[in-house]
This record gives sequence, C-alpha cells and structure tokens, in this order.
Amino acid sequence: SYVLTQPPSVSVAPGKTANIICGGNYIGSKIVHWYQQKPGQAPVLVVYDDTDRPSGIPERFAGSKTGSTATLTISRVEAGDEADYYCQVWDTSSDHWVFGGGTKLTVL
Amino acid sequence: EVQLVQSGAEVKKPGESLKISCKGSGYTFTNHWIGWVRQMPGKGLEWMGVIYPGDSDTRYSPSFQGQVTISAGKSITTAYLQWRSLKASDTAMYYCVRGGIAALTGAFDFWGQGTLVTVSS
Repeated sequence: SYVLTQPPSVSVAPGKTANIICGGNYIGSKIVHWYQQKPGQAPVLVVYDDTDRPSGIPERFAGSKTGSTATLTISRVEAGDEADYYCQVWDTSSDHWVFGGGTKLTVL
Repeated sequence: EVQLVQSGAEVKKPGESLKISCKGSGYTFTNHWIGWVRQMPGKGLEWMGVIYPGDSDTRYSPSFQGQVTISAGKSITTAYLQWRSLKASDTAMYYCVRGGIAALTGAFDFWGQGTLVTVSS
C-alpha cells in the first residue's frame, strides 16, 4: 500500500520559516492536501490541490511539490502555528486515501 | 455556513454495538462525499471510508472493510458510522469529514467536532 513519510517533528523560532516535508513514491503525480491539528481540536484544511489555500488561511501557508516530495512552508512562524501537520493524497492504484504520519511543529 | 455536527461521546463495553452520527447543514448534502477518519489516542489520522449520499456509493479503507459500516440518510442529511461488535482497540476519536463535490479525490474541507468512543470492560 502507498506510504507517505513525514518527519516526526520540526522546530523553528518565531518569525522564521518552517518547511514540513511529505515524501512518497511518484508524489509528483498525485494531488496533495495538508491539514493542521492543534491540541484538542479537529483538523483544519490549510492547503489543498498542492498549492491552493482555503479562504481564511493566511498567505504564510504555502504548498509546493517536486517529483518525490511535497512541502508545506509556513513563513513568519507564530506561536499559534504550533500544531501537528498531516499531508494526504488519493492513491489511484488502490483507490483510497492515505495520510502521512504527521509532523509536530514546535515554535521555540 | 457549512457545519458537520457529530453525536456525543460514547462509553461502551467490548462486544456491544454502536452507531454514531454526523449531521451536515449549510450545503447540498447529496452533492459531496462524506467520510470518517479515526484518530487513536496520541496517534495520527486514519481514513476509514466515504459515502456519496446522492447514490450511496461507499468506499472503505482495506483496514476497516468488514469492521464498520458507513451509511447516510439523505432526507435527514446525516451520515452514520456503525460497529456490530466493539473491541477495546476501537477506542478513539472519530471525525466525520466533507469531501469533494462529486469528485472522490477532493480535500476534506470541513470536519466535525469529533466523537470520542471509549470501549472498556
């Protein structure tokens, strides 16, 4: 089955840039979505279709993708961005959704 | 305003059955896939399955096929997740999600507040 790999944790100082990576075979040919989950809350969609942001999501959140990795970049990181972040793709070979294991973003 | 409102927390014993619900409002219920996501304590997100209320087309993750049943009542704009015989390992938070409009591959753009299911003897 298809696997998405994320680093368990990323740490960044306030005001700096955080890059959260999601790796998977041929991820460049798949559509990637990203979710933010703060402690005790339901996840929230922050990037969809690789690069688009839902209304209400700050421009500081940006998605990008190469052939083997997708990246969620958070610019000018704030304390309120501290959360778990999950990538997600639709695996066409098995016809089901796959989530990455999640990355815990810590703001130092 | 789009809302997914889930039923309340449940405490059950192993072997008992359970059906939890998710009521959608603020959009055309039959036009979007609606799904379920499990989150075990301290763990990540796991996709369980989705249903298209317009025609009841249902897809399951292989991990959950045969373990749960997903259904929807389109006249009452409510989706359901059902177990026939719960196990302690079913203890988790369960989220309902709104998926794409007609397209199965659309992002989960709205999430319910979650239903905590605790299974313990």
